[in-house]
Amino acid sequence: TQLLEQSPQFLSIQEGENLTVYCNSSSVFSSLQWYRQEPGEGPVLLVTVVTGGEVKKLKRLTFQFGDARKDSSLHITAAQPGDTGLYLCAALSRAGGTSYGKLTFGQGTILTVHP
Amino acid sequence: GAGVSQSPRYKVAKRGQDVALRCDPISGHVSLFWYQQALGQGPEFLTYFQNEAQLDKSGLPSDRFFAERPEGSVSTLKIQRTQQEDSAVYLCASSSHRSDTQYFGPGTRLTVL
Repeated sequence: TQLLEQSPQFLSIQEGENLTVYCNSSSVFSSLQWYRQEPGEGPVLLVTVVTGGEVKKLKRLTFQFGDARKDSSLHITAAQPGDTGLYLCAALSRAGGTSYGKLTFGQGTILTVHP
Repeated sequence: GAGVSQSPRYKVAKRGQDVALRCDPISGHVSLFWYQQALGQGPEFLTYFQNEAQLDKSGLPSDRFFAERPEGSVSTLKIQRTQQEDSAVYLCASSSHRSDTQYFGPGTRLTVL
């Protein structure tokens, strides 16, 4: 089983600050996904990264996949109160011959952005 | 609605009671997943259905947990003789065949007293 370590576990910042969340493992990922979850809701997919060294941008969010595909980061520029939530990374794995991807989640980073 | 729906949203059970949690996936989605999310943690995989076939139940924590999807659409997760450690949010997700995008429902928060 792949173990995903996310850091930091909690992050409390002021509006306008930048932040980075990290997701690390000793295992190589075939692909990795980032989700955002708000209280009382299910996780919502933000991005999927597949290629080592890949960088994807989603407005003020920048996602990077490590060259060795063992780690990933999420960087938020000029955070806003609406960015508040639980950010989860998840490794997508497929057992041999299966057609479905099983997700293994990190423990999450709780981000609070104060106005 | 077009999304995944779950009911009830909240369930309080006394220890030892049986509970049934329902998931309505997005229409036409072949794949259906159940996850358990403890407070302050990421979701953990419980089981997977492709249509009505339960192809993976490796994450079910004990034989008290049972899931079914008899007609390949709605799914029910049943927990027998609930224990306090079963208290968690139970999430359902669906996806189209061979897609890596899972759409999650809002979850059912189960509290066992």
